[in-house]
Amino acid sequence: DVKVTQSSRYLVKRTGEKVFLECVQDMDHENMFWYRQDPGLGLRLIYFSYDVKMKEKGDIPEGYSVSREKKERFSLILESASTNQTSMYLCASTRGGANTEAFFGQGTRLTVV
Amino acid sequence: QQQVKQSPQSLIVQKGGISIINCAYENTAFDYFPWYQQFPGKGPALLIAIRPDVSEKKEGRFTISFNKSAKQFSLHIMDSQPGDSATYFCAASGATSGTYKYIFGTGTRLKVLA
Repeated sequence: DVKVTQSSRYLVKRTGEKVFLECVQDMDHENMFWYRQDPGLGLRLIYFSYDVKMKEKGDIPEGYSVSREKKERFSLILESASTNQTSMYLCASTRGGANTEAFFGQGTRLTVV
Repeated sequence: QQQVKQSPQSLIVQKGGISIINCAYENTAFDYFPWYQQFPGKGPALLIAIRPDVSEKKEGRFTISFNKSAKQFSLHIMDSQPGDSATYFCAASGATSGTYKYIFGTGTRLKVLA
């Protein structure tokens, strides 16, 4: 069974903290993505990576950075957490090429207080 | 140009009824249109997908209708069941600088009444 695993289901962090969200996939997928999900706004792309050490900004990269040192692992970093970053964060992966299915993790509910 | 507009935001349907969710896009470079289903506490999962060379795709009770000239596509759920209650996202994908990424709609929360 294919899997995308996010390290935490729930996180509570304080304003100004540096936060790491980890994602691991076991499908040898080339592409990995970080989305945030907010009611009424759908899934918005933060960053994606199409290869190890490669990254591209999505639609809402401000306040975030990413790291992909190994093919199976993609980390999202909140450099200095703020309350407006309270959200559900979803990691996804796809094979390389066109029209490939996206597999999602179960999500991390982050609350910044 | 990169947006996918989805409606309605929420939908309540009686058991056995037809649920219809609509999406519209602007970028003609999109060439793959999947629908994802998300249950509470879970990540989205692929439900059904269509490419623009066909106007309709059916899988069981789920059908995608695609209108290329209008740049619209819709999901029809026939004989809706309480177990179909979930959030549904349409999406579009196409090559951007050689990399494929998804643009998602804002989601529709479907509730099917027993």
